[in-house]
This record gives sequence, C-alpha cells and structure tokens, in this order.
Amino acid sequence: AQTVTQSQPEMSVQEAETVTLSCTYDTSESDYYLFWYKQPPSRQMILVIRQEAYKQQNATENRFSVNFQKAAKSFSLKISDSQLGDAAMYFCAYGGSQGNLIFGKGTKLSVKP
Amino acid sequence: EPEVTQTPSHQVTQMGQEVILRCVPISNHLYFYWYRQILGQKVEFLVSFYNNEISEKSEIFDDQFSVERPDGSNFTLKIRSTKLEDSAMYFCASSEWRTNTGELFFGEGSRLTVL
Repeated sequence: AQTVTQSQPEMSVQEAETVTLSCTYDTSESDYYLFWYKQPPSRQMILVIRQEAYKQQNATENRFSVNFQKAAKSFSLKISDSQLGDAAMYFCAYGGSQGNLIFGKGTKLSVKP
Repeated sequence: EPEVTQTPSHQVTQMGQEVILRCVPISNHLYFYWYRQILGQKVEFLVSFYNNEISEKSEIFDDQFSVERPDGSNFTLKIRSTKLEDSAMYFCASSEWRTNTGELFFGEGSRLTVL
C-alpha cells in the first residue's frame, strides 16, 4: 500500500525568506502523480502544485517549486519570497492507480513578519 | 470562481444518531469524493462517486456510511448511527477527472462532533 510521510509537523519562516517542506512517499507503482495542497485557516484546501512522475523536470508555479527525486521517493516543496498569506497547513498527496489521493499528515507553516 | 460548498459547517450530535452532511460540487465536475480528518491525523479517503454509483471506497466506509446524489446537484454523506470515533472534519471534493491525474476541488469541511 502507498504511504505519504511529512516529517515536519510545524515549520516557520521569515517573510521574504525561503522555506522547504519535506515529503516522502512509498509506492511500487511507476506511474503516478504527486501534489501539494494548501489549507489556510478555516478555508478549503487548494492545489498548489502537481508533479507527474514520468516527467523528470521539476514543476514550478510562480514562487512555488518542487524537488522531485523519484529514486529516493522524495517530493519537497520550496516556497520562495515567503508572504504572510502563505501561512497555512500544507499537505503532500499521492495519486496513483487507485483513483483517490493519499495524504500526509500535513505541515503547519507560520510566516513571521 | 466556482466552489464546492458544504453544510453544515459544524454539527454536534449524540452517539447513535443519524447525521447527513451535504455538499454541492462544482457543476460540470463528474467525480465526487468524501474525505475525513480526525483531529491531528491524516486526511483519509472515504469514498468516490461517479456516474451515480460508488466507484471506490476505503475500509473506513463501512455499512454505517452511505452516499447519495439525490437531485443532480447535492452530494450527501450519511452516517446512520454515529460513534464517538466518527468525530472528525469531513471534506467533500469534486473533480473533472479521476484524482490521480486531475485537480481536486475541496469544500471547507463539515466538523462533526459526536458526544
């Protein structure tokens, strides 16, 4: 069975600085997708970035980028130039053949002004 | 921008009571899901629904749970006889395609407290 592990329950970053959130996963599948979702306080989860496993190039969305290491089964999220609005829970998720997402426990990110 | 909406935002119920959580998915989406998150734990998949029937369900989704799309717009999760361990945040989601390829759109969640 696939698993997703986020080893950092909480992280903190200074405004305008860069922070990296870690995620590892376990799977025997070769074709899958990985996602980072953001959940601001009292708001719904929204997709931040998506990576297709067969693509070697790391996905990038503006200030958000990933470091996808397929062999190591690692999928970290880098947030550059952190803003106060980036404060949220961040969930790493795996989407494989089973058709539903498997989530990690989440990392709570605080941004200090 | 279209949103997934959920009601109620918070429900408190007595153990053994029936609860219905309601969701309005985004109108052109075809796949619907329920996930739950017990406080401090992972977001867990419960069930997916496509073409008016359950397409996948987890081991959590036992006979106490059921889903329905009664009128073409609402998507409901019913818990027949609630237990203390059903206390959690329940998230509805919808997508145009199967989640492993497409983006999931989540509602804000319904917090269920079972006393």
